[in-house]
Amino acid sequence: QQQVKQSPQSLIVQKGGISIINCAYENTAFDYFPWYQQFPGKGPALLIAIRPDVSEKKEGRFTISFNKSAKQFSLHIMDSQPGDSATYFCAARGAQKLVFGQGTRLTINP
Amino acid sequence: NAGVTQTPKFRVLKTGQSMTLLCAQDMNHEYMYWYRQDPGMGLRLIHYSVGEGTTAKGEVPDGYNVSRLKKQNFLLGLESAAPSQTSVYFCASSYNGHNEQFFGPGTRLTVL
Repeated sequence: QQQVKQSPQSLIVQKGGISIINCAYENTAFDYFPWYQQFPGKGPALLIAIRPDVSEKKEGRFTISFNKSAKQFSLHIMDSQPGDSATYFCAARGAQKLVFGQGTRLTINP
Repeated sequence: NAGVTQTPKFRVLKTGQSMTLLCAQDMNHEYMYWYRQDPGMGLRLIHYSVGEGTTAKGEVPDGYNVSRLKKQNFLLGLESAAPSQTSVYFCASSYNGHNEQFFGPGTRLTVL
C-alpha cells in the first residue's frame, strides 16, 4: 500500500526550463510535507517543506504548491540548472514518521 | 560535527550470514531511523527509535532487528541475510518527531 504516490518516475528538462514533480497522498492525518533531494552516492537532504495550512511556499527557485482538497502537492523548479540533476522524493509525515514517494530522477540537459 | 555516519559503506554477504550496520550521530538527537531504498520504491522505514533504550517497528521490519543502547548509536542487524535484503540502507536522525530528518551517506548491501 503506497500512501504517497509520486510522478513521473523520471524527467528530462532543458536548462532554464521548469521542472514539475507531483505527489498525491491518501491519509488526511498527514501534517507536514517535505521534499528531499538526493545526489548519487549521497543520502537524501531536506530541500523544502510545507504544512497543510499553506497553499504555496517558495524558496529561491524552488516552490511547493499544495492542494489540500485534492490531497496533492507538487514541486516546481524554476530556471532549472544542470546542478539540479538529482533524485527527488516527496514525503508526508504522520505519527512522527515520514512516508516517502517512489522518487523522481531529474536530468537537466545543458 | 560529523552529523550522521554509517559503517560500513559497502558489504557483500552470502545468504544466511549475519551482520550489523552501525549508525552514529553527534547532534544529540532523540529520534533515529533505519530506511531501505530500492529502485522505484522510494525509502521505506524499517525500524525507528524515539529515545535511548526504545525501538519500534516501521513499514518493513521483517528480517531485521535493532538496538539503541546509547543515544548516539542505532544498530541494524540482519540475523540470516536473504537476497531480498539487497538494498541501500540509510540511517537518519531528528531532534524530535517534528523536526527535519538528517540522513547518513548510506550502506550498500548485496546478499548473494
